[in-house]
Amino acid sequence: ETGVTQTPRHLVMGMTNKKSLKCEQHLGHNAMYWYKQSAKKPLELMFVYNFKEQTENNSVPSRFSPECPNSSHLFLHLHTLQPEDSALYLCASSQEFFAGGNGYTFGSGTRLTVV
Amino acid sequence: AQTVTQSQPEMSVQEAETVTLSCTYDTSENNYYLFWYKQPPSRQMILVIRQEAYKQQNATENRFSVNFQKAAKSFSLKISDSQLGDTAMYFCAFMRSGGGATNKLIFGTGTLLAVQP
Repeated sequence: ETGVTQTPRHLVMGMTNKKSLKCEQHLGHNAMYWYKQSAKKPLELMFVYNFKEQTENNSVPSRFSPECPNSSHLFLHLHTLQPEDSALYLCASSQEFFAGGNGYTFGSGTRLTVV
Repeated sequence: AQTVTQSQPEMSVQEAETVTLSCTYDTSENNYYLFWYKQPPSRQMILVIRQEAYKQQNATENRFSVNFQKAAKSFSLKISDSQLGDTAMYFCAFMRSGGGATNKLIFGTGTLLAVQP
């Protein structure tokens, strides 16, 4: 039990498909995050949620649509993606939204391939 | 804006030897946290060690220690007695603290460490 669970582990989708990534945390944390990890690039913060309210959207294209129904669950809905969107998508959670210096707990990510 | 730089894309070390991974950062903040995360082939990022900028003493966690040089904005990770299980990508990360700063981690590009038997 990692504390943060992401499904699916791998996903291959066509550019016209609609799919969703799921993240669930069992730690009682208040904040959740989506990151995009591409080779040879720093992790890119996409979205931040605090008590299920979105607090940050880092200029992410609208083909990525996050949803946070409660503090334990976070989704990333995908539609009409491009091949350059292929990457590892990491979900993370933290106990506090305002900086407490405890860092994040990460899931194992979803490896997304857009064909 | 804060940036984190890891200048070593790949490194290799023999089992039981010591290796040092480099990290520099740029910030105008005085209060912040620094982290090293490990990402093994399982892909889950694991916190290795953290340092609070106001503490002069370098953090240590078993075989892992840091050399924190605040004036030089340098934060290197030393792994002693390297083990095969240390093979992973290592990420240096920065987080502001205080003054309503949000919990945003800013990462470097990572260093891929291979421990050779």
